[in-house]
Amino acid sequence: EIVMTQSPATLSVSPGERATLSCRASQSVSSDLAWYQQKPGQAPRLLIYAASTRATGIPARFSGSGSGTEFTLTISSLQSEDFAIYYCQQYHNWPPGSLTFGGGTKVDFK
Amino acid sequence: QVRLVESGGGLVKPGGSLRLSCAASGITLSDSYMSWIRQAPGKGLEWVSYISYSDGTTYYADAVKGRFTISRDNAKNSLYLQMNSLRAEDTAMYYCARPGAYPDYAFDIWGQGTMVTVSS
Repeated sequence: EIVMTQSPATLSVSPGERATLSCRASQSVSSDLAWYQQKPGQAPRLLIYAASTRATGIPARFSGSGSGTEFTLTISSLQSEDFAIYYCQQYHNWPPGSLTFGGGTKVDFK
Repeated sequence: QVRLVESGGGLVKPGGSLRLSCAASGITLSDSYMSWIRQAPGKGLEWVSYISYSDGTTYYADAVKGRFTISRDNAKNSLYLQMNSLRAEDTAMYYCARPGAYPDYAFDIWGQGTMVTVSS
């Protein structure tokens, strides 16, 4: 099973600042990597797929990069609505097999 | 409007059973690798199971293999998760989710979730 590790666990940022979140895979997942945002009491929302493609309706301040085992989600200028938990997920060579998520990074107010 | 609506969650004793449902509108479940994903309180996301759109092949996470069964009813455009021999560690919000089209199998549509609590 591919293990996804996110860092940091918590990122304290002020509105307007840049946030950089990391995700590492235990083996190469090529570009088969997605990022999700989850707010309290809500289902996750897809932000990025294929490592760097924004999903429909996602603002341009969200960008994804990386391939292989190292990935980054960047929020260029944090807005109040961006304070949430962010998860990465790999879907390399799926299906068949299992899918795995990272443990999440909580972005909160500095 | 595309929508997934889960139901069937609740409080159940260890060893008990529950059947979750996921009703779809605006999409056809039999066109996708529909999945169940769960989230224990205060924890991260864990993929549980999927069912193939083409031949109904199923696959399960090791944590639920042999206890959970995923199925679908194409006529009702609904997805199900039969959960048997439930354990305290199965306590979670359960989401049904649809991945996008090949090759980008990120989950672009999620339901609102249904809560399962396993406790005596």
